[in-house]
Amino acid sequence: EVQLVQSGAEVKKPGESLRISCKGSGYSFTSHWISWVRQMPGKGLEWMGRIDPSDSYTNYSPSFQGHVTISADKSISTAYLQWSSLKASDTAMYYCARHVGAGWFVDWGQGTLVTVSS
Amino acid sequence: QSVLTQPPSVSGAPGQRVTISCTGSSSNIGAGHDVHWYQQLPGTAPKPLIYGNNNRPSGVPDRFSGSKSGTSASLAISGLQAEDEADYYCQSYDSSLSGSVFGGGTKLTVL
Repeated sequence: EVQLVQSGAEVKKPGESLRISCKGSGYSFTSHWISWVRQMPGKGLEWMGRIDPSDSYTNYSPSFQGHVTISADKSISTAYLQWSSLKASDTAMYYCARHVGAGWFVDWGQGTLVTVSS
Repeated sequence: QSVLTQPPSVSGAPGQRVTISCTGSSSNIGAGHDVHWYQQLPGTAPKPLIYGNNNRPSGVPDRFSGSKSGTSASLAISGLQAEDEADYYCQSYDSSLSGSVFGGGTKLTVL
């Protein structure tokens, strides 16, 4: 069974750094891109960017370029999303998702809720 | 403002058929990129409903169907059931942005 298991909820203060994770199992981790998707409270889905775990090539939505960093450690089948300086506006649910080719997202993680508040 | 445009809400009575539109442009749907649909029940992660314009993943009832024409796509749900009440999102690839794009989402209410 394919699973994407994300790290737990986080509560942070503005200016703090954070890295959340997404561990894949049940498939060849290096054979499928992983994307990160943001969902702000009461809002829709926003694609943030993706990584090819085989070579760590990334590309980002222009809306998120420079604000977050996506990385992966293929030795432990885990992708990451990190911030160097959080803002209150980063408060959201974050999902990782496994691509089929360059197209659809066949599997999703359970989501990680990030709350940024002073 | 989402790159793909969906109606904010649709509604229908049990047993009826509803459609949800997804309008894009020449850099995404109109460029020939596939459209995919997801269902998000309250408090849960999105679930794939339709991929490659009109294909259903295993386990998705045939009450759900997709189509695409020009710069638009549609999701149709027939035989509406109370359990279909959820948010629905379309997704495609945008050549100008070099990445995936989502519609703003449509809330389906079963009356």
